[in-house]
Amino acid sequence: GAGVSQSPSNKVTEKGKDVELRCDPISGHTALYWYRQSLGQGLEFLIYFQGNSAPDKSGLPSDRFSAERTGGSVSTLTIQRTQQEDSAVYLCASSSGQFYGYTFGSGTRLTVV
Amino acid sequence: EDQVTQSPEALRLQEGESSSLNCSYTVSGLRGLFWYRQDPGKGPEFLFTLYSAGEEKEKERLKATLTKKESFLHITAPKPEDSATYLCAALTGTASKLTFGTGTRLQVTL
Repeated sequence: GAGVSQSPSNKVTEKGKDVELRCDPISGHTALYWYRQSLGQGLEFLIYFQGNSAPDKSGLPSDRFSAERTGGSVSTLTIQRTQQEDSAVYLCASSSGQFYGYTFGSGTRLTVV
Repeated sequence: EDQVTQSPEALRLQEGESSSLNCSYTVSGLRGLFWYRQDPGKGPEFLFTLYSAGEEKEKERLKATLTKKESFLHITAPKPEDSATYLCAALTGTASKLTFGTGTRLQVTL
């Protein structure tokens, strides 16, 4: 597509429930990134995909967080047993290579109540 | 640990009043310094990449410069539509991702 698409744009969930966030990158972009942005905080790196592999998962905050990418395209970030501290905007970005500018989606605003 | 620090946190300018935003970095082996603009409720929008000290890039009223320790985003004669949060980020030699600063929130008033 023309840009990076993320869904849903907003998600309200109860504490303890699992959520799935979806990212559709720009067609042909091999690199895909997930970041988290909390109020007043900078963008926090979560995970990097090159193709379907994740060579850098160092930013995933706990084992409740996981992500996958299929067909070198769509990626899903899953948060199990959500906690209130998981509330944030989750941003996905794609790039044609590591050293090029990222194109970000508009994010998914997750609220855990 | 790679660190990127932006100042000021917030800046209020009158239309036409030029200023600069600062991004200082402490990283191991800078490979690129990126600037982004973020509007409320949207993802960051790419502006510039600078690769080596002394490099400058311009786009409309914005000019980005890079030294060995910091980068500046100069805004010349800003307009209200330049109001946004400006983010800088560093890509280092051993890292596979950008490390972001917390941003400067710019407000330009009439």
